[in-house]
Amino acid sequence: SAVISQKPSRDICQRGTSLTIQCQVDSQVTMMFWYRQQPGQSLTLIATANQGSEATYESGFVIDKFPISRPNLTFSTLTVSNMSPEDSSIYLCSVAGDNQETQYFGPGTRLLVL
Amino acid sequence: GDSVTQMEGPVTLSEEAFLTINCTYTATGYPSLFWYVQYPGEGLQLLLKATKADDKGSNKGFEATYRKETTSFHLEKGSVQVSDSAVYFCALGRRALTFGSGTRLQVQP
Repeated sequence: SAVISQKPSRDICQRGTSLTIQCQVDSQVTMMFWYRQQPGQSLTLIATANQGSEATYESGFVIDKFPISRPNLTFSTLTVSNMSPEDSSIYLCSVAGDNQETQYFGPGTRLLVL
Repeated sequence: GDSVTQMEGPVTLSEEAFLTINCTYTATGYPSLFWYVQYPGEGLQLLLKATKADDKGSNKGFEATYRKETTSFHLEKGSVQVSDSAVYFCALGRRALTFGSGTRLQVQP
């Protein structure tokens, strides 16, 4: 399985600011995903990060709020823009394995917005 | 659309007890099914998976069988340990994953 790292591991931010989260994979992967896990809740898919094209967003998530970059096959960023306390969550990136059936997750970024 | 339903927690067991965490799903066709585990303060780890009906996934003493007749993928372990205390997520996979709500397991010595 791929080794996935995320930066930062945690952060405390003020409302109205933006935070960019990085996801780095140790091998080239076709599909990368960004999920949100609100406190005590399950995971919800934010978007699929597509290399060379715009991300594909799920219902309820928009590019202006969660811009995503995917400059190559090993790296992606998620920005949480104009943050409010409701954005306090764990943000996780994942990648699909070789058979495209199994996903492996990064350690997550724990965000607290004050 | 796809959905996954898990039994609510927390589930509290004594060490060496038998564990069952129920998971049922709604989906068209036969997607792959997964169990992920999240230990305190950590990210998600793949525990086991099954890719077609009647497959049994197993890992670290945990097992789950893909039952298309009952649309279920229940997680079982014969003898839990304190170190198994975590949140367990059932998930259904296509392009991306659809997760259940998670079940917190607490194992007491």
